Amino acid sequence: AQSVAQPEDQVNVAEGNPLTVKCTYSVSGNPYLFWYVQYPNRGLQFLLKYITGDNLVKGSYGFEAEFNKSQTSFHLKKPSALVSDSALYFCAVRPWNNNDMRFGAGTRLTVKP
Amino acid sequence: GAVVSQHPSWVICKSGTSVKIECRSLDFQATTMFWYRQFPKQSLMLMATSNEGSKATYEQGVEKDKFLINHASLTLSTLTVTSAHPEDSSFYICSAAGNTGNQPQHFGDGTRLSIL
Repeated sequence: AQSVAQPEDQVNVAEGNPLTVKCTYSVSGNPYLFWYVQYPNRGLQFLLKYITGDNLVKGSYGFEAEFNKSQTSFHLKKPSALVSDSALYFCAVRPWNNNDMRFGAGTRLTVKP
Repeated sequence: GAVVSQHPSWVICKSGTSVKIECRSLDFQATTMFWYRQFPKQSLMLMATSNEGSKATYEQGVEKDKFLINHASLTLSTLTVTSAHPEDSSFYICSAAGNTGNQPQHFGDGTRLSIL
């Protein structure tokens, strides 16, 4: 069965600095990979996905993620963090052939002014 | 983009009552809907997966008779928490997916359920 690991519970960065939120995955076959963001008392908002093609995927709000097959990673990045980026971020993976999506434990990103 | 509406957003009720939560896909047909439960500062726990017109598939450890799921149409799924007790208090989130294989799930805004 597929699984996702987000090794950091918390990531703190200063506003204007680059940010990285890490994600590694395990799945049989080709993975479909996703990043979501959750603000307090809200559902999850879709940020970006990797299905196939270019390893660097660009998404909403200036976020991007790089798919690395050899390292089975899909780290989320942003060149310049904003205070408003502070939220809970979830990485998710599902196999190509079904809807069984698994989420990581989440990483709380705090961007300080 | 795809919009999923979840209602109500907040429920407070007495122990022993039943609570129904609705999840609607507003601008697409949701072949599959998912129900999650989220505890404070934790990830989402998948409770069940429902396909339109079929019985829901529950995850291990989730009581079918406690959490009744109905997915009667391609735009509506409901979760009913029967005879709710304080330990059922949680944040419940639904999501919906269409029948295109590589599309993301789209999430509702969640329902915070508080049982007194």
